[in-house]
Amino acid sequence: AQSVTQLDSHVSVSEGTPVLLRCNYSSSYSPSLFWYVQHPNKGLQLLLKYTSAATLVKGINGFEAEFKKSETSFHLTKPSAHMSDAAEYFCVVSESGSGNTGKLIFGQGTTLQVKP
Amino acid sequence: KAGVTQTPRYLIKTRGQQVTLSCSPISGHRSVSWYQQTPGQGLQFLFEYFSETQRNKGNFPGRFSGRQFSNSRSEMNVSTLELGDSALYLCASSLASTTRGDEQFFGPGTRLTVL
Repeated sequence: AQSVTQLDSHVSVSEGTPVLLRCNYSSSYSPSLFWYVQHPNKGLQLLLKYTSAATLVKGINGFEAEFKKSETSFHLTKPSAHMSDAAEYFCVVSESGSGNTGKLIFGQGTTLQVKP
Repeated sequence: KAGVTQTPRYLIKTRGQQVTLSCSPISGHRSVSWYQQTPGQGLQFLFEYFSETQRNKGNFPGRFSGRQFSNSRSEMNVSTLELGDSALYLCASSLASTTRGDEQFFGPGTRLTVL
C-alpha cells in the first residue's frame, strides 16, 4: 500500500537561508512523486514531480527535490527562502494502474514559516 | 487557459441537509477527482470520474456521491450532512490520470460548514 510520511509538521527558517522539507514514501511499485504547495485559503499548486526520469527534479520558484530509492525519500529543498514561500507543503505519491486512477495520496503537510 | 473552477466557494448547511458542489475542469481534461481536506484527517481522496464513469473510489460512506457530465463537469453530493462533514472540498482535473505522473490541477475549493 502506498503511504507518505512528512517528517516535520512545522519548519521555521529565516529569510535567505536554505529550506529542507523531508518526505519518506512507501510504495509497492515505482511511484510518481509530487510536491504541492497550498497558500492560505488557496487551492493546491504543483511545485514539481518525479516520474522515473532524472532523480534530481527542478520545480518552480527555485525548489528542487531528489528521489532516493534506497532511502525511499523525496526531500524538497530551496537554497534561499523568501517570505512568499511561507505556506503548507504536501508530499504526494501516486501509482499507475487501473486500481489507482485519479488517486493521490497526501502526506500530512509541513507548515513552512519564514522569518524576516 | 482557464483553471479549475468550483462553485460555490462557501456553504453553510445544517445537520441532516444535503449539499451539491460543482466543479468545472480545465478545458480538454477528462478526469476529475475530488478530495476532502480537514485539519484532523488531512487530504483524503473521495472519488474520480472519467468519461462520465466513476473509476475509483476512496473510503467514504455512501452519503458521498458524485457524477460527471458529458462536458466533463462534475458534481459531488453529500446527503444527510453530519458535523464531521465540515471541510474544504477540493476538485482536481487531469488529462487522463492513467499514466504515471499525470499531474492534477486543483481548484480553489468549496468550504463547507455544517452547523
